Amino acid sequence: GESVGLHLPTLSVQEGDNSIINCAYSNSASDYFIWYKQESGKGPQFIIDIRSNMDKRQGQRVTVLLNKTVKHLSLQIAATQPGDSAVYFCAESTQTGANNLFFGTGTRLTVIP
Amino acid sequence: ETGVTQTPRHLVMGMTNKKSLKCEQHLGHNAMYWYKQSAKKPLELMFVYSLEERVENNSVPSRFSPECPNSSHLFLHLHTLQPEDSALYLCASSPLQGGTRGGYTFGSGTRLTVV
Repeated sequence: GESVGLHLPTLSVQEGDNSIINCAYSNSASDYFIWYKQESGKGPQFIIDIRSNMDKRQGQRVTVLLNKTVKHLSLQIAATQPGDSAVYFCAESTQTGANNLFFGTGTRLTVIP
Repeated sequence: ETGVTQTPRHLVMGMTNKKSLKCEQHLGHNAMYWYKQSAKKPLELMFVYSLEERVENNSVPSRFSPECPNSSHLFLHLHTLQPEDSALYLCASSPLQGGTRGGYTFGSGTRLTVV
């Protein structure tokens, strides 16, 4: 099966700083990637997605970068706020098979006030 | 609220008990999923239903039995569980089978403890 993993299990940043969360994937056939945020006591929530024909996509305060050459995905959060504290997951899927999402283990982001 | 509701939020059960987890969505989605989330492990896909038919069962032990009576409801029936089954069980839905475009909508999960 696919292998989706994160470089760092925890990340602490000062409020107002930018955060970068990284993710590595192993399936070169993956063509769609999603970042999820999971707050305590809640299920994962969709943040932003990107298709493999793009290398960058921006949302509100968040940017996803995709480097297909090294099979690397990152999530950048600008001006990190206390409400950004959560676990962040990347997920990948392919156009083949059941197109189910494969999730990484997650990175816990802690924002220091 | 995400539009996907799971009940109960917390459940403690003995190894000989039988219980059921319930998931309900009114988003008009036609695919529903059960995931298991354990500490320090990736989300594990358990079951996939598309248009009320099971399309995937990822080698889940038979002590877990899903049921999808209609496109809005999904159940996970539990019996003779083991302590290692203690985890957060997440339900998700999506508009398409596989449903990856736009992502899944998750419920808040049921925290299950097997004693």
